[in-house]
Amino acid sequence: DADVTQTPRNRITKTGKRIMLECSQTKGHDRMYWYRQDPGLGLRLIYYSFDVKDINKGEISDGYSVSRQAQAKFSLSLESAIPNQTALYFCATSDRFGTGADTQYFGPGTRLTVL
Amino acid sequence: TQLLEQSPQFLSIQEGENLTVYCNSSSVFSSLQWYRQEPGEGPVLLVTVVTGGEVKKLKRLTFQFGDARKDSSLHITAAQPGDTGLYLCAATNTGNQFYFGTGTSLTVIP
Repeated sequence: DADVTQTPRNRITKTGKRIMLECSQTKGHDRMYWYRQDPGLGLRLIYYSFDVKDINKGEISDGYSVSRQAQAKFSLSLESAIPNQTALYFCATSDRFGTGADTQYFGPGTRLTVL
Repeated sequence: TQLLEQSPQFLSIQEGENLTVYCNSSSVFSSLQWYRQEPGEGPVLLVTVVTGGEVKKLKRLTFQFGDARKDSSLHITAAQPGDTGLYLCAATNTGNQFYFGTGTSLTVIP
């Protein structure tokens, strides 16, 4: 089984709808991240969390919210989806200490299309 | 503004050729990572470099961290079709946030 899983893998929705993307991990890592990937722009950080009570905004948090329900679960919500949020979304985890803190483990991604 | 600039953005070469991909920044980082991403999958870590001037080898791939820890290069010798993918550099300071480059899409033609 994969260490970092994301659901759904693909989603098509309409403008104005609320969408939740979910991420679960079995690596036992404290740190979790949400990124979006757009062609030519690489990966951009949306939100990150260092533990259940610690949530931080990333580079492009506007229009998104997150919830860290448990150490292993980190969900991303689009309260009112708009077409320019069409992208590939990745969840990632990392360890807290030493060289493990420099390594991120990614889920398989969620392809979101907003019509 | 992109913190990490990768070049080239696209690269298409014949099997057996050598290539180099560059990752540049005006900022200093405590470590830099290289990832490879295949279609339909998330990025997978290839290597982490932490010391200025450090060189690491992974089979036919050679990674170098600049002396000033602002830039890095990835050199592939005798490229194979299995090397095809998107190569991403990423950098961090103490692991608090990671900054990713725009990526280099490599196609190796048999």
